[in-house]
Amino acid sequence: NAGVMQNPRHLVRRRGQEARLRCSPMKGHSHVYWYRQLPEEGLKFMVYLQKENIIDESGMPKERFSAEFPKEGPSILRIQQVVRGDSAAYFCASSPPRGTVLHNEQFFGPGTRLTVL
Amino acid sequence: GENVEQHPSTLSVQEGDSAVIKCTYSDSASNYFPWYKQELGKGPQLIIDIRSNVGEKKDQRIAVTLNKTAKHFSLHITETQPEDSAVYFCAASIGAAGNKLTFGGGTRVLVKP
Repeated sequence: NAGVMQNPRHLVRRRGQEARLRCSPMKGHSHVYWYRQLPEEGLKFMVYLQKENIIDESGMPKERFSAEFPKEGPSILRIQQVVRGDSAAYFCASSPPRGTVLHNEQFFGPGTRLTVL
Repeated sequence: GENVEQHPSTLSVQEGDSAVIKCTYSDSASNYFPWYKQELGKGPQLIIDIRSNVGEKKDQRIAVTLNKTAKHFSLHITETQPEDSAVYFCAASIGAAGNKLTFGGGTRVLVKP
């Protein structure tokens, strides 16, 4: 029973390039969350998605960041025109559908460590 | 919005002793409180959680307590072992508001053999 999968695990980009981070939720999970973790800090919520819907993007920077969770395929977090301040670990989490007993629980992937040169 | 404070930021204990980490939250609507363990280079791993209708929960050497009136909750690890060394995060969420987690700043636990 595979857990949450993220790729790539490490990503290096130069300033101004685009970064695409992918997340495949656990089997049977229909909710995906993205969090960002700066070095030596806690995780900060970015966005919450269900299939084809953005439910809560209150933690997303207003510009350059976007997220999607299409009907088929993984969820994508896209960062355009990256800057050095975007360097961080980006974690995806998934949870079971609403109405299930464990729908609160979020299970995290291994993360993508983005380095902007 | 919700704010979660966690302390201490670092905790060093002798193997076999207990470790206690405390968190406070600000939003009285929060009703779900998970704890995560994060090892170096890995994603957070859910180790225990508690819901607002429960005051205490235990799973082997790990226990969590919740005081809704005071808005604080704690993680207790008994008989610590070197493999318990990691960073621990508390979090809070409001189920009706989409379950987004607000995390504390983390506690780095070092268990000395």
